[in-house]
Amino acid sequence: DAGVIQSPRHEVTEMGQEVTLRCKPISGHDYLFWYRQTMMRGLELLIYFNNNVPIDDSGMPEDRFSAKMPNASFSTLKIQPSEPRDSAVYFCASSFRAPNTEAFFGQGTRLTVV
Amino acid sequence: AQSVTQLGSHVSVSEGALVLLRCNYSSSVPPYLFWYVQYPNQGLQLLLKYTTGATLVKGINGFEAEFKKSETSFHLTKPSAHMSDAAEYFCAVRGNAGKSTFGDGTTLTVKP
Repeated sequence: DAGVIQSPRHEVTEMGQEVTLRCKPISGHDYLFWYRQTMMRGLELLIYFNNNVPIDDSGMPEDRFSAKMPNASFSTLKIQPSEPRDSAVYFCASSFRAPNTEAFFGQGTRLTVV
Repeated sequence: AQSVTQLGSHVSVSEGALVLLRCNYSSSVPPYLFWYVQYPNQGLQLLLKYTTGATLVKGINGFEAEFKKSETSFHLTKPSAHMSDAAEYFCAVRGNAGKSTFGDGTTLTVKP
């Protein structure tokens, strides 16, 4: 397996524009997580899915953020409209259900909103 | 509820010196504990994990960690630091609900 694949790796957009980040988890994994990492706030869990169903979205900062998982092999995180304070590295991770298993992270998407 | 505290956001050691990164956790169920490493411009990757059994766990790159239930600790050590160990290290606990809770991370600097 190629691991967790995120696209794009880098995104620069203007304030007010819609941004969509994409993630392909490892085949067979039950869980998918979206994280945001900044210098100020560290690593934050935004939302996670179990078998394509959102379980906990309490970390989503505002209504401008939304995430979907239409099938087991694809998820998106959308920001509309984007703001400069959304600039961060966004990671997708996936794992098996068993709590003794680790999460596998993608390479991240570095988002810059100007 | 579960939580993780990493003591020291920055640790600096000389090459060849002992590396000790501290992690304390709280968990209402038997914990599953993990250490991840993040190199610049990369995602997190697993260093080692404790699930059950032996409390001293060995990981990649010569790192190991010891689970001490009485101290609720899972400190990460390496006998001799190498320049390539410079990175950010995260301790995490995973509960039965599937979610992992990460510490704030410790940046390790290795001086020549």
